[in-house]
Amino acid sequence: DTGVSQDPRHKITKRGQNVTFRCDPISEHNRLYWYRQTLGQGPEFLTYFQNEAQLEKSRLLSDRFSAERPKGSFSTLEIQRTEQGDSAMYLCASSLPLSGRGTEAFFGQGTRLTVV
Amino acid sequence: GENVEQHPSTLSVQEGDSAVIKCTYSDSASNYFPWYKQELGKGPQLIIDIRSNVGEKKDQRIAVTLNKTAKHFSLHITETQPEDSAVYFCAASFDSGGGADGLTFGKGTHLIIQP
Repeated sequence: DTGVSQDPRHKITKRGQNVTFRCDPISEHNRLYWYRQTLGQGPEFLTYFQNEAQLEKSRLLSDRFSAERPKGSFSTLEIQRTEQGDSAMYLCASSLPLSGRGTEAFFGQGTRLTVV
Repeated sequence: GENVEQHPSTLSVQEGDSAVIKCTYSDSASNYFPWYKQELGKGPQLIIDIRSNVGEKKDQRIAVTLNKTAKHFSLHITETQPEDSAVYFCAASFDSGGGADGLTFGKGTHLIIQP
């Protein structure tokens, strides 16, 4: 297994355009998380899925953002009408929770979005 | 919601010395506290974690301590090596036993190991 895979690695878009990112979690990992990280800051939680169900959404996830995980495997994060403030690294993580034990979330290398 | 404070923002130590990074959290419901290491251009990588039912955990040169009453936890790295240079993040979350909710991260500590 090659770990969590994110595509694309880099995306430059013009303000107002829509963008979509893809995350492929580690095989059989049933939890998938999306985070956003700006320069010099820690990752900020956006949302997470257990299988295909979206269980939690941060207030950071405005109505311009939508995430899906239709078959409980890969996930997509779409940003509509991008703004310069959306420029950040978008990180995906996956985990396979084991009852009664700590949960390790494995992160991908991220998609760096630049809105010009 | 949860708020995690992390100090210092930058830490420079001589190779071979110890490094300590401290974090505080605000939500007493949090019970899962991982530490991540992030190298330039890469995603965060878990280096150690601790749950609220233990006060200390050690893995070779790395240890984490947790004080639930004071709501603070610390990362200790002994015998530091050049490859320890990176940005370290603490985080907190609630794990019901069926998996952790989204993590709340600190702002990070840039650890510099001086040769």
